[in-house]
Amino acid sequence: ETGVTQTPRHLVMGMTNKKSLKCEQHLGHNAMYWYKQSAKKPLELMFVYNFKEQTENNSVPSRFSPECPNSSHLFLHLHTLQPEDSALYLCASSQDPTGDYGYTFGSGTRLTVV
Amino acid sequence: KNEVEQSPQNLTAQEGEFITINCSYSVGISALHWLQQHPGGGIVSLFMLSSGKKKHGRLIATINIQEKHSSLHITASHPRDSAVYICAPTNTGNQFYFGTGTSLTVIP
Repeated sequence: ETGVTQTPRHLVMGMTNKKSLKCEQHLGHNAMYWYKQSAKKPLELMFVYNFKEQTENNSVPSRFSPECPNSSHLFLHLHTLQPEDSALYLCASSQDPTGDYGYTFGSGTRLTVV
Repeated sequence: KNEVEQSPQNLTAQEGEFITINCSYSVGISALHWLQQHPGGGIVSLFMLSSGKKKHGRLIATINIQEKHSSLHITASHPRDSAVYICAPTNTGNQFYFGTGTSLTVIP
């Protein structure tokens, strides 16, 4: 365990389903991130939260909805996804909002949209 | 064109070999991370460096900010080093750029 815990590890959902991914860290980090990793593509930053406030949304479709209720928890709510959204979704956290210190990733959620 | 280029994309080595993975980037950065991703997806940050050289055990990372180039070296490679290694420069605006990774397989 890296200190950043993601659940579930694997998720299969239909295009009409609604599901949520959960990320939790108790490292005392102030910034949390959602990344998408598709096959043979670089990691793509989706959302950034600093001190529970969303500071970045990299043109992510509205079918992905993040929520950060506190500095230890981050959710990614999913609805009406498309098959091309199938990917590995990684959560990360860092001590410093610049990401220069203590950058830690979770193990990811492998999402398959059918 | 990706802002980060890694080479080689795939690498197979015999156990014990010295390994070098290279990373070139085209953007201005404040620091650069080397990440290790094992099969199954988990990512571990190996190094964060902004100048010179860092060493952790058998791993050595170097960076030349002027040349926009970084290298990751593994001495006395071992099968457990088999993973994808990702170069990730970052700027002061908290933006990360990611290479597509180098897939390393170390054969016993």
